[in-house]
Amino acid sequence: EAGVTQSPTHLIKTRGQQATLRCSPISGHTSVYWYQQALGLGLQFLLWYDEGEERNRGNFPPRFSGRQFPNYSSELNVNALELEDSALYLCASSLLDGTFSYSNQPQHFGDGTRLSIL
Amino acid sequence: AQRVTQPEKLLSVFKGAPVELKCNYSYSGSPELFWYVQYSRQRLQLLLRHISRESIKGFTADLNKGETSFHLKKPFAQEEDSAMYYCALSGPDTGRRALTFGSGTRLQVQP
Repeated sequence: EAGVTQSPTHLIKTRGQQATLRCSPISGHTSVYWYQQALGLGLQFLLWYDEGEERNRGNFPPRFSGRQFPNYSSELNVNALELEDSALYLCASSLLDGTFSYSNQPQHFGDGTRLSIL
Repeated sequence: AQRVTQPEKLLSVFKGAPVELKCNYSYSGSPELFWYVQYSRQRLQLLLRHISRESIKGFTADLNKGETSFHLKKPFAQEEDSAMYYCALSGPDTGRRALTFGSGTRLQVQP
């Protein structure tokens, strides 16, 4: 099966610009998660989409936003880029198996998009 | 707020030695805990989850609610175990689906 694909691999922007990152989940997966891996800060949860809806977001400002399309692919948009937004952005997908605890399906990760802000 | 702590950035052992990667969490309810692993030039992938109570590649992890720990153990390390290991927690802060990760521990298994 094809894995999670992310594009572009690398993205270079300057401060104040806007960036769009894309993610295609594994076929059949309806949930898409975005994580930021900044140097020295580890992996931090950004956003979770399922069935086209934003289900939960991490502790990030509103200039981090996204959407999920009917084919379950997703975009992450970062507006008014700041130097500290430089990071690896990972997308993951999973099945959504119920709404209870202990029913988490494994998350499958992509290779990430490395965003560099000059 | 839910939090995951991995106190060791690097753990270096010799082949055949026992391995214990430490993970502590803070969460007042009943969390769901995972270990994810990233081998060199590969994607982050699930290693094991506490609810499954299984052994994967010889690794086991037991949830200790009293000590709020979920340490990863293997009795005899192999060189192919060298990788970055992340402990992760799923709880209400992340909608019971997305993950809160620890900072990771790099395991180096020397020949």
